Amino acid sequence: SQQGEEDPQALSIQEGENATMNCSYKTSINNLQWYRQNSGRGLVHLILIRSNEREKHSGRLRVTLDTSKKSSSLLITASRAADTASYFCATDISGGSNYKLTFGKGTLLTVNP
Amino acid sequence: ETGVTQTPRHLVMGMTNKKSLKCEQHLGHNAMYWYKQSAKKPLELMFVYSLEERVENNSVPSRFSPECPNSSHLFLHLHTLQPEDSALYLCASSWPGSPLHFGNGTRLTVT
Repeated sequence: SQQGEEDPQALSIQEGENATMNCSYKTSINNLQWYRQNSGRGLVHLILIRSNEREKHSGRLRVTLDTSKKSSSLLITASRAADTASYFCATDISGGSNYKLTFGKGTLLTVNP
Repeated sequence: ETGVTQTPRHLVMGMTNKKSLKCEQHLGHNAMYWYKQSAKKPLELMFVYSLEERVENNSVPSRFSPECPNSSHLFLHLHTLQPEDSALYLCASSWPGSPLHFGNGTRLTVT
């Protein structure tokens, strides 16, 4: 069974709106990471949040982590057309080395100009 | 430029062919990874190398054979593949505990 699962599978919004994506996972984690993938390209790391952290910000990105609910959310504020991509959460269950980083299926975000 | 270079970008091979995928990282990392990305499936971790030693092998069929000659280079040797092996193969590198840096992948089609 899958460790991380993003919700929704697809999200379409207008430029300037906020986008929220959620991730649920099953087992205890060391950290949770969010990545972005543009079509036909590799994944790009966005934010890493450790299990003892509750919230982290990076520019227009805000990530929360609720270990009691085994869930995380990624908020992109004031979205732009260039934010159109697939977004993945990844959980580290390897004790911190990232050697067993497992990914969900992703959320496909479309930002319409 | 991601710092992780994969070649070739696209590969079409028959089921009886032998080919190799190459990955090179210029970031000084000591861990390298192979992931498989198929449509509508989560990324699947295939192999992990740390300091040129394999530390993770995720029950991958023997028709996939990894090789890590040094900490900057990683290969995936392919032979007698099946059509279901068609996918995007992604290489990544990192320091232990740090986020992964991915290449842009090799799109493999098995005919």
